[in-house]
Amino acid sequence: AQSVAQPEDQVNVAEGNPLTVKCTYSVSGNPYLFWYVQYPNRGLQFLLKYITGDNLVKGSYGFEAEFNKSQTSFHLKKPSALVSDSALYFCAVRSDTGRRALTFGSGTRLQVQP
Amino acid sequence: DAGVTQSPTHLIKTRGQQVTLRCSPKSGHDTVSWYQQALGQGPQFIFQYYEEEERQRGNFPDRFSGHQFPNYSSELNVNALLLGDSALYLCASSLGYRGGNSPLHFGNGTRLTVT
Repeated sequence: AQSVAQPEDQVNVAEGNPLTVKCTYSVSGNPYLFWYVQYPNRGLQFLLKYITGDNLVKGSYGFEAEFNKSQTSFHLKKPSALVSDSALYFCAVRSDTGRRALTFGSGTRLQVQP
Repeated sequence: DAGVTQSPTHLIKTRGQQVTLRCSPKSGHDTVSWYQQALGQGPQFIFQYYEEEERQRGNFPDRFSGHQFPNYSSELNVNALLLGDSALYLCASSLGYRGGNSPLHFGNGTRLTVT
């Protein structure tokens, strides 16, 4: 079975400070990892993905994520947070073999204070 | 280039009724997945359709069924509605069932309330 853990329900950060949203995963085989963002009453928007290669992945809106195989983590980061980054963030995983459906974490609410 | 569109945006039904939700995938996409997102939770996979066939199914009862049409659009049907079926239902499309790593593109969802 595959699973995702987002240990923080909410992350608070001041505007201009760096932010990190944590994600750990469990999957059989090699992982395909994704981050999505959700604004109120909207669907999920794709931010970035890790498939293979460089452990640091760059995505939309200045976000990046670091894949760490030994720690089975895929933390989302941004060097300088904006108030407009405030939203709900979801990490998702699927295996490169077998089941192809994405499994999502429970989400982390990011609150950026001005 | 239209993204994923879902209808209706909101729906209120009574326990025991049946409901049909609709989804048109992003232009060029051929695979449709449905997710249920309860309040305060992450999306839960219901099923996936490709070439008009259900290819994968999550841990949902048979009350949840679907269909994909030749133009790739899809429907989600839920019979004998329960209060616990109240949720945001998300449709996501992608290219190629066997493509592997293409990201899902989500619609804005249908908010279903069962009273």
